[in-house]
Amino acid sequence: DAGITQSPRYKITETGRQVTLMCHQTWSHSYMFWYRQDLGHGLRLIYYSAAADITDKGEVPDGYVVSRSKTENFPLTLESATRSQTSVYFCASSGEQGRHSEAFFGQGTRLTVV
Amino acid sequence: GNSVTQMEGPVTLSEEAFLTINCTYTATGYPSLFWYVQYPGEGLQLLLKATKADDKGSNKGFEATYRKETTSFHLEKGSVQVSDSAVYFCALTYTGGFKTIFGAGTRLFVKA
Repeated sequence: DAGITQSPRYKITETGRQVTLMCHQTWSHSYMFWYRQDLGHGLRLIYYSAAADITDKGEVPDGYVVSRSKTENFPLTLESATRSQTSVYFCASSGEQGRHSEAFFGQGTRLTVV
Repeated sequence: GNSVTQMEGPVTLSEEAFLTINCTYTATGYPSLFWYVQYPGEGLQLLLKATKADDKGSNKGFEATYRKETTSFHLEKGSVQVSDSAVYFCALTYTGGFKTIFGAGTRLFVKA
C-alpha cells in the first residue's frame, strides 16, 4: 500500500528493555521525522533525517537512536526504555524542502513502558 | 525564530455552531501556513493550506485566510458537526527549511 506505515500500532515493554519502532514510506520522500505526542506538550520532534545516512537531533533526542540506511525506512530505537518514554510516537515524511513542504504522518505507535 | 501560537482548548461547541480557532505566527520571510487535523486514534492529516498573503485555504467547510498584516491564520467553520471533533494544529514551513513548525494543538468537542 502506498503511504507511510508504522509498526507496531501498540507496544507494551518493560523498563530497561530495548525497543524499536518501525517506519516505512513508499513515496521516496527525502525527509523523515519522529515526533512524540504527550498531553500538555503537543508534538515534540525527536530526530529527523534529510536523506539516507543523514540524521540529526530534534528537541528531545535523549534516550533515542535512529538510523536511515535506506530512503524508505527510518526506525526509532529506545535503547533502555524508561517510564517517561510512555507516549504516542508519530513518524512523518516530506518530499520537499522549503515553504511548500507538506508533512505526511503515519498512524502512530502507542508505547507503554511499565 | 519561527513559532506558532494557537488558542488553548478544549473548545466545546454544540452541533451547527460557528467555530473559530485562533492562530498567530512569527516567521522571517514568507512562510506557508497549514492547518492539520488529528481524529481520535489517528495521525495528523492536512486540512488546508495557504502559501502567500491574502490566500484563503478551504476544505470540508473549513476556511482560513493568510493575513500577513496581523500574522494570523485563524481557522473557521460556519456549522460544525459531531464528526469534526478532533485536535487541530496550526503549522508553518519557511523558505530554506524543511521542518514543519507546529502549534500546541486545540482540541474541539462537538456535542449533538
